[in-house]
Amino acid sequence: EPEVTQTPSHQVTQMGQEVILRCVPISNHLYFYWYRQILGQKVEFLVSFYNNEISEKSEIFDDQFSVERPDGSNFTLKIRSTKLEDSAMYFCASSYTGTTNEKLFFGSGTQLSVL
Amino acid sequence: AQKITQTQPGMFVQEKEAVTLDCTYDTSDPSYGLFWYKQPSSGEMIFLIYQGSYDQQNATEGRYSLNFQKARKSANLVISASQLGDSAMYFCAMRASNTGNQFYFGTGTSLTVIP
Repeated sequence: EPEVTQTPSHQVTQMGQEVILRCVPISNHLYFYWYRQILGQKVEFLVSFYNNEISEKSEIFDDQFSVERPDGSNFTLKIRSTKLEDSAMYFCASSYTGTTNEKLFFGSGTQLSVL
Repeated sequence: AQKITQTQPGMFVQEKEAVTLDCTYDTSDPSYGLFWYKQPSSGEMIFLIYQGSYDQQNATEGRYSLNFQKARKSANLVISASQLGDSAMYFCAMRASNTGNQFYFGTGTSLTVIP
């Protein structure tokens, strides 16, 4: 089965630094998402992306966050000035149609630790 | 607004026994999809089963079945013949067209299979 690929699997950074989390969605998918999961807690929606623009974002996705699809394959999440509370597992996901009956394909996640 | 509720933070089941993980949801949209994902300790999100709001029959996928009771707004996951490898976190999720088809997750249930 095709896979969503995320790199790196672990990222350690100092507070205030910028990080870029990278994702390669499934090649024919059109809808891309970022979710985060703080340790032991629920999986929270951050942002969805379609047709080269943000289609929806949550209240978590403030000005320190940005997403980009710099080429035909990568989808990135940038956190401009990391805070301690940004420490979490970040999941990239993709789907083809974005409709209610379609599952999301998740990557294996990037564990971000902010020190 | 969507709401997904999983009231069982932790469950134990004897190997080879069946177990039911509870999930209730709330939405005003008549068109929605319900999903269950498994998250083992390695962290990835594994899709298990899907139920559409208009589906007449309960979904089944191998040892997984979904007990869908629309009037009660519940979508419980039943795992038959539990195996040690079933020990993991289980998340119920919903997406509905009136909220941009975003995935909303419950808080999860940690299942431990006892040999």
